[in-house]
Amino acid sequence: GENVEQHPSTLSVQEGDSAVIKCTYSDSASNYFPWYKQELGKGPQLIIDIRSNVGEKKDQRIAVTLNKTAKHFSLHITETQPEDSAVYFCAASLTNFGNEKLTFGTGTRLTIIP
Amino acid sequence: SAVISQKPSRDICQRGTSLTIQCQVDSQVTMMFWYRQQPGQSLTLIATANQGSEATYESGFVIDKFPISRPNLTFSTLTVSNMSPEDSSIYLCSAAGNWETQYFGPGTRLLVL
Repeated sequence: GENVEQHPSTLSVQEGDSAVIKCTYSDSASNYFPWYKQELGKGPQLIIDIRSNVGEKKDQRIAVTLNKTAKHFSLHITETQPEDSAVYFCAASLTNFGNEKLTFGTGTRLTIIP
Repeated sequence: SAVISQKPSRDICQRGTSLTIQCQVDSQVTMMFWYRQQPGQSLTLIATANQGSEATYESGFVIDKFPISRPNLTFSTLTVSNMSPEDSSIYLCSAAGNWETQYFGPGTRLLVL
């Protein structure tokens, strides 16, 4: 089955700097790659997603890039703010949408230093 | 996007007992899922809750331990049976419609003593 690796496990950046989280997946048939943000005591919240026919997607300060050949995708957060502190999870799915099983990465705890 | 609620939000239970967790979605959805998140860990899919038929369980999870119901397109329950301290986790419900992304509920935090 699909295996998703995520790095780093923890990341600390100064407020205003950029943060990058990387994931690799094993199943070349995977087509959908969402990113979730989980704050303490809450459920995961979808922040951005990308499908296999797209190489990059941006939403304000957040962007995701996908390299299907290398089977890796990355989350980029620019101009980081204290409210960006959370645990971030990448995931992969065999379908083009989220209506099938998601395989999650191990998570990255991001801390923004004021 | 779908709004998902779960009950209870947290509970403390004695070993050997069972707890049923409810998941309610504010709109009809095609798919509903149950995940487990052990403390400080990632999310692991327990099963897909199928409307009108038996749930589809992932490897390592069995119906006798985690019976699931889905009577309609907006509601599902997960029961954690004959609990032991190893069942202490966050249990998360998620849902998705056709051609849509998957949204999560706030989770149920379970502590088994």
